[in-house]
Amino acid sequence: SQQGEEDPQALSIQEGENATMNCSYKTSINNLQWYRQNSGRGLVHLILIRSNEREKHSGRLRVTLDTSKKSSSLLITASRAADTASYFCATDLGGNKLVFGAGTILRVKS
Amino acid sequence: GAVVSQHPSWVICKSGTSVKIECRSLDFQATTMFWYRQFPKQSLMLMATSNEGSKATYEQGVEKDKFLINHASLTLSTLTVTSAHPEDSSFYICSARVSLHYGYTFGSGTRLTVV
Repeated sequence: SQQGEEDPQALSIQEGENATMNCSYKTSINNLQWYRQNSGRGLVHLILIRSNEREKHSGRLRVTLDTSKKSSSLLITASRAADTASYFCATDLGGNKLVFGAGTILRVKS
Repeated sequence: GAVVSQHPSWVICKSGTSVKIECRSLDFQATTMFWYRQFPKQSLMLMATSNEGSKATYEQGVEKDKFLINHASLTLSTLTVTSAHPEDSSFYICSARVSLHYGYTFGSGTRLTVV
């Protein structure tokens, strides 16, 4: 079953703008991960944030985690056309099981 | 980095035939692999967890006799879609956990079309 819900479902921005995607989940987690998927391809791991962490950075990516609200956000700064893809959050519930959110389709227009 | 190689990348088959999809961990050993299914513009749904040397664990609603999983070695897991029908047409993706800190690595996926 789907654990997370993401919003927005779709996001269209101009190159250079920032893109923010949100993810909410329902149960306790060990960590939360963000993945990127180009159309018709496999997933690429972007960043993992543990349940005891609140913020993490990786290049142009910034992820926050609020366990009290059971939510996370992914910020992509200075977006590029090549960032166009679907982005998924996934919660690690323990037991080696990942549960994916519905995803956000990001389109960056050049 | 850790790589999972998935083959074939796409396959077209006739109704009633079986299709085998392979996933190999290239530079690490994967005692556990995961098989997902993804319909167009939708998220990934976990189908089953493949365990090396033992039976796979299937998610609720997934027919184990239809989706046969074999994990005979530490580097290879296979998913066989038996007696495929058009409704089985989908994108199938495997993954393996690399480490507690890194997360999971995914295969490039297999687009199955049943005609």
